[in-house]
Amino acid sequence: EAQVTQNPRYLITVTGKKLTVTCSQNMNHEYMSWYRQDPGLGLRQIYYSMNVEVTDKGDVPEGYKVSRKEKRNFPLILESPSPNQTSLYFCASRRQVDQPQHFGDGTRLSIL
Amino acid sequence: QKEVEQNSGPLSVPEGAIASLNCTYSDRGSQSFFWYRQYSGKSPELIMSIYSNGDKEDGRFTAQLNKASQYVSLLIRDSQPSDSATYLCAGRSNDYKLSFGAGTTVTVRA
Repeated sequence: EAQVTQNPRYLITVTGKKLTVTCSQNMNHEYMSWYRQDPGLGLRQIYYSMNVEVTDKGDVPEGYKVSRKEKRNFPLILESPSPNQTSLYFCASRRQVDQPQHFGDGTRLSIL
Repeated sequence: QKEVEQNSGPLSVPEGAIASLNCTYSDRGSQSFFWYRQYSGKSPELIMSIYSNGDKEDGRFTAQLNKASQYVSLLIRDSQPSDSATYLCAGRSNDYKLSFGAGTTVTVRA
C-alpha cells in the first residue's frame, strides 16, 4: 500500500530533550516536506527536500533540522525542543513538483 | 503577505445547498493548485488539483482557476453532512514550495 509513515504518532516530552520524528514513504517520490499545523494558522512549511541531499527552508525553519540521506526517509530533528514547538506535525511527499502531496497521519508533539 | 489566502469562514450551509470557497494567491508565477479536505484530527486528503484556467469538475466538486485575477475557488454542490470539514487551498510557487491557506471550516446543517 502506497503510504507516508510517521513515527511516533504522539509524544509528550520536556524542554531541551532532543527528539526525532521519522518519516518514510514507499512511493519513490522525489519531493518531501514537513509541516506544522496550529489552530488558526493552517499548515506552515518547515523544510522541504527536492531530492537526496537537497533540502531548503520553508516558512518556519527555526529550531528544526532535517536530513535526506535516502530517498525514502526525511526525518525531522528538534535539537532542543521548546514549548512553542508544541504542535501537530505532518510529513508529506509528492512524485514531481506539480503533483499532489500525500500526507502522513500526523505526529502530535507536546513539549512541557 | 501570505502567499495563499482563504476566505476565513466558518461557512455554514444547509444540506443540499452549494458551498462556495475562495482562495487568492500572491505569486503570479504559481503553476499548480490543490484543494484538500481535512477532518478534525486527521491528515489532509486531496479533493481536486487544477493547473489551467477555467473549471474542472469531479462529481459534486468544481474547482475554478483564474490566473489573471489570481484566485482559485471550490464549489461543493448538493452539500452533505459528510462534507463538514476544513478545506485547505494550496498553491505551488516558482521555488517548488507548496503553500497552504489557513483553511475554511464548512459545516453542513442537516
